[in-house]
Amino acid sequence: EAGVAQSPRYKIIEKRQSVAFWCNPISGHATLYWYQQILGQGPKLLIQFQNNGVVDDSQLPKDRFSAERLKGVDSTLKIQPAKLEDSAVYLCAGQGGATDTQYFGPGTRLTVL
Amino acid sequence: QKEVEQDPGPLSVPEGAIVSLNCTYSNSAFQYFMWYRQYSRKGPELLMYTYSSGNKEDGRFTAQVDKSSKYISLFIRDSQPSDSATYLCAMTFSGNTPLVFGKGTRLSVIA
Repeated sequence: EAGVAQSPRYKIIEKRQSVAFWCNPISGHATLYWYQQILGQGPKLLIQFQNNGVVDDSQLPKDRFSAERLKGVDSTLKIQPAKLEDSAVYLCAGQGGATDTQYFGPGTRLTVL
Repeated sequence: QKEVEQDPGPLSVPEGAIVSLNCTYSNSAFQYFMWYRQYSRKGPELLMYTYSSGNKEDGRFTAQVDKSSKYISLFIRDSQPSDSATYLCAMTFSGNTPLVFGKGTRLSVIA
């Protein structure tokens, strides 16, 4: 079984630039989460999708962050414009069902200079 | 008060030692409790998954949940250098809700 794919693995940008991250969860995983993990912290939820619909985006900074999952499979997270405090690892996780656990991808490490 | 408290360490132990990792939480509505292991520059990997209170054992790993005290633990027996990683506790309200994580404890097992 293939794991959760994320790209790019690393990205360095300057503040005020834009950036996009991509995630492809395990086949059949209807629920998809994006988490932000700042160095030395645990992951924090940004947004949860169920198929192609948003379930929870209460913690997403909507003035600069956006996410979509148009066909209910892969997902894109965008930051525009980036701030220094956005430097973090962006983790994607998929979940197959209510009794399943969340499976994480390797993450995208973003550095904003 | 943070929802989930976890001592970030670092914790350094000799090979073969028993390791005890702990988290406390404030929200009594949490029902599912997990421990994830995260190696440097990798995503979190699920180690243990427990529903409600009780113990669960898997090889060298034992997870305990005490909901009355809002306290969860992970024990690692006969620790190995390959166990050196950051251990994250996580919990959630129901099966399909986001995880709330602790800060993670960095563990080093010295050969």
